[in-house]
Amino acid sequence: ETGVTQSPTHLIKTRGQQVTLRCSSQSGHNTVSWYQQALGQGPQFIFQYYREEENGRGNFPPRFSGLQFPNYSSELNVNALELDDSALYLCASSSGTGMSYEQYFGPGTRLTVT
Amino acid sequence: GQQLNQNPQSMFIQEGEDVSMNCTSSSIFNTWLWYKQDPGEGPVLLIALYKAGELTSNGRLTAQFGITRKDSFLNISASIPSDVGIYFCAGHRTGTASKLTFGTGTRLQVTL
Repeated sequence: ETGVTQSPTHLIKTRGQQVTLRCSSQSGHNTVSWYQQALGQGPQFIFQYYREEENGRGNFPPRFSGLQFPNYSSELNVNALELDDSALYLCASSSGTGMSYEQYFGPGTRLTVT
Repeated sequence: GQQLNQNPQSMFIQEGEDVSMNCTSSSIFNTWLWYKQDPGEGPVLLIALYKAGELTSNGRLTAQFGITRKDSFLNISASIPSDVGIYFCAGHRTGTASKLTFGTGTRLQVTL
């Protein structure tokens, strides 16, 4: 069974640029959630995708957007990057059934905005 | 965004000691989960709790879903060096899609 994978591992961008992060869900999982983890804090929910549609969103501005593909992989896009967007971005997959609260995380993408 | 309160923030213990930590919220949660995160990695799910009062074990780890549904507890028995890391609680509330709200974390360091 393949776990959750994310790419790239690390990324450095300049303020104002755009970035795309990618996630492949665990085998058998059809739901993907994205979280932002600032240094020294717990992960903060950005949004979730289920059956290729957004299924819940946290307190993040519209410049954070996402996609889910038919194979359940997902992308997180961030436009007009700000310095405060520097963080570890985590993707988590779940089964989309009654136990979908059990989310399994990938290793994350470390984004640095300069 | 909201974060759950975890205590203690950090702790140093000796190998072989038992560890207790807790997580509290001002709101009711219907599901509690405990994760462990090592440096540079994503959180790893340790235990999931679905019912108030439930006590669940996973090896040397035991977690409890508080009766008030506003708290949860994690105990680690006979700690070993690989228990080092940050432990996060996370809660889910019905009606919030599958959003998990995470705690502030408890950093555990084990000395030999």
